[in-house]
Amino acid sequence: GAVVSQHPSWVICKSGTSVKIECRSLDFQATTMFWYRQFPKQSLMLMATSNEGSKATYEQGVEKDKFLINHASLTLSTLTVTSAHPEDSSFYICSAKPGTGVTEAFFGQGTRLTVV
Amino acid sequence: GQNIDQPTEMTATEGAIVQINCTYQTSGFNGLFWYQQHAGEAPTFLSYNVLDGLEEKGRFSSFLSRSKGYSYLLLKELQMKDSASYLCAAMDSNYQLIWGAGTKLIIKP
Repeated sequence: GAVVSQHPSWVICKSGTSVKIECRSLDFQATTMFWYRQFPKQSLMLMATSNEGSKATYEQGVEKDKFLINHASLTLSTLTVTSAHPEDSSFYICSAKPGTGVTEAFFGQGTRLTVV
Repeated sequence: GQNIDQPTEMTATEGAIVQINCTYQTSGFNGLFWYQQHAGEAPTFLSYNVLDGLEEKGRFSSFLSRSKGYSYLLLKELQMKDSASYLCAAMDSNYQLIWGAGTKLIIKP
């Protein structure tokens, strides 16, 4: 299957700093990438849909100024958690689909963010 | 509204068979996905159903009934490594995945 690479796998940062997470599709072009967060023992919660060359579409309740998404190319999307706080500590996962319509979503390895 | 329901947790014995059920309500329907997720890892794709019936893939099979809004994942010859969460996700008319909360499967020797 297609490969999606997400970095870093884990990061610890101080409260008030910003953290950037990268998501790359290695062997396919992804017009659309998705960013999720997952709290322990809970399911994936879609944060935003990232479209190459345009602004991301954020889900209700997700602060766009806090979670900055950039999808500068067909193979790279980044999520920046700005002014991170301990409550932002979570597992962040990106996924990408090759093409549009009904296709399998491929997931990155996930990023465990801990804000201290 | 859109909703996916699946049991929170199930326990089964190594070598046995287990069926994980999922019911869904979505705005439009473009198929039902099952993913496996081990703790601390990202989900991995298991199966996709869009037509009624059973799809078999090795030890794993997935069933869909569109009229009932129902799917199940069947795992045979359970192995300890099958201990994981199993996520059911329905794709709506906008091709968005609506995720269930996941079923944590515990395998006992």
